[in-house]
Amino acid sequence: NAGVTQTPKFQVLKTGQSMTLQCAQDMNHEYMSWYRQDPGMGLRLIHYSVGAGITDQGEVPNGYNVSRSTTEDFPLRLLSAAPSQTSVYFCASSSPTGSNYGYTFGSGTRLTVV
Amino acid sequence: AQSVSQHNHHVILSEAASLELGCNYSYGGTVNLFWYVQYPGQHLQLLLKYFSGDPLVKGIKGFEAEFIKSKFSFNLRKPSVQWSDTAEYFCAVNSLSGSARQLTFGSGTQLTVLP
Repeated sequence: NAGVTQTPKFQVLKTGQSMTLQCAQDMNHEYMSWYRQDPGMGLRLIHYSVGAGITDQGEVPNGYNVSRSTTEDFPLRLLSAAPSQTSVYFCASSSPTGSNYGYTFGSGTRLTVV
Repeated sequence: AQSVSQHNHHVILSEAASLELGCNYSYGGTVNLFWYVQYPGQHLQLLLKYFSGDPLVKGIKGFEAEFIKSKFSFNLRKPSVQWSDTAEYFCAVNSLSGSARQLTFGSGTQLTVLP
């Protein structure tokens, strides 16, 4: 049981390049989210999904796209990278109810845009 | 919208000292409350969580937190810290109403424990 798997762990992009950060979970969780972590700002929600085919914007969605075609996968796409998107990105999944309710985080992707 | 405040940005303690990290949230409805820890270079790990019941919650590694509803607070405590507790600590809240059952994080508190 791997939990939440994020790839890649590190990435350097040039301004204007595009890329996709992958996130997969094997716990059959309905909810999945993407956060970015910046010093002194905690984690801020980028996009989230409450189930396959359903996504919505979080606090800082600009410059990012998501889709949720399966329960397991929730990729985050940067269409045209900017230096302001240099950050550490975390994917999380959660079960909606029950005594095991909680969030499981991936190990993160450290992205540098030059 | 819900928000979370962690007033201590950086706390420095000596080993064996007692720890209390403040967390206040703003949301009028029912909430779930969490404390996460992030060791250097690692992802977030759950320390403890509060859903309902006893407002004093015990977590892993000797940490505990007390939910005080009237003060909208969920402070984290540990009676005696160790050097290995050096990490960043995040308080998080999510509401139980509305379409978004998502976590809102505080800005984090960096704890440095001196040997």
